Amino acid sequence: DAMVIQNPRYQVTQFGKPVTLSCSQTLNHNVMYWYQQKSSQAPKLLFHYYDKDFNNEADTPDNFQSRRPNTSFCFLDIRSPGLGDAAMYLCATSRGLDRGLETQYFGPGTRLLVL
Amino acid sequence: AQKVTQAQTEISVVEKEDVTLDCVYETRDTTYYLFWYKQPPSGELVFLIRRNSFDEQNEISGRYSWNFQKSTSSFNFTITASQVVDSAVYFCALSEAHSGNTPLVFGKGTRLSVIA
Repeated sequence: DAMVIQNPRYQVTQFGKPVTLSCSQTLNHNVMYWYQQKSSQAPKLLFHYYDKDFNNEADTPDNFQSRRPNTSFCFLDIRSPGLGDAAMYLCATSRGLDRGLETQYFGPGTRLLVL
Repeated sequence: AQKVTQAQTEISVVEKEDVTLDCVYETRDTTYYLFWYKQPPSGELVFLIRRNSFDEQNEISGRYSWNFQKSTSSFNFTITASQVVDSAVYFCALSEAHSGNTPLVFGKGTRLSVIA
């Protein structure tokens, strides 16, 4: 019954070694979001896709990239993880029918550890 | 500019006590939504409620209730007869009609600890 699925739940990577986090959804929502949440902080939006239209937040580092091959899947690629990238990464979706006034539904998150 | 303030960083209560989590927001938009999310230790953000700016009616759902007051720009959340399972971080968030699809602005969260 899971609607927004994130794999893996925990990911360990080495400093500088590329890593990919995945998100899938069964809601058929148009919009998918990636957030970064560091300890004791609020989630911070990295970017989102409205269908195939990619929207990057102005302060998202170039080290973070995303792909959305189809409606159901979205990937977060961290090209060269640094120690400061250790965080919880949350994927969310929304319907995309009413811009700015929609509920976002979150997945369980992937906790990334960088050694 | 839009902003959400949750002044309470951490709250501890004993089980069965009532507790209110405060949320104050700022927006220039007349059409907006307010949200509460719960984040238990497992990490998932669980959607609790959405309230639009034209509906100031308070809402009750079981032990949860929400008090929306536009006059004070507040959207407070009360848990009645708290339980240990209510222990989590609670986020208040704001979404404006004219901010496109990147609208969700979160407060910093309130960590609630319910002690048995």
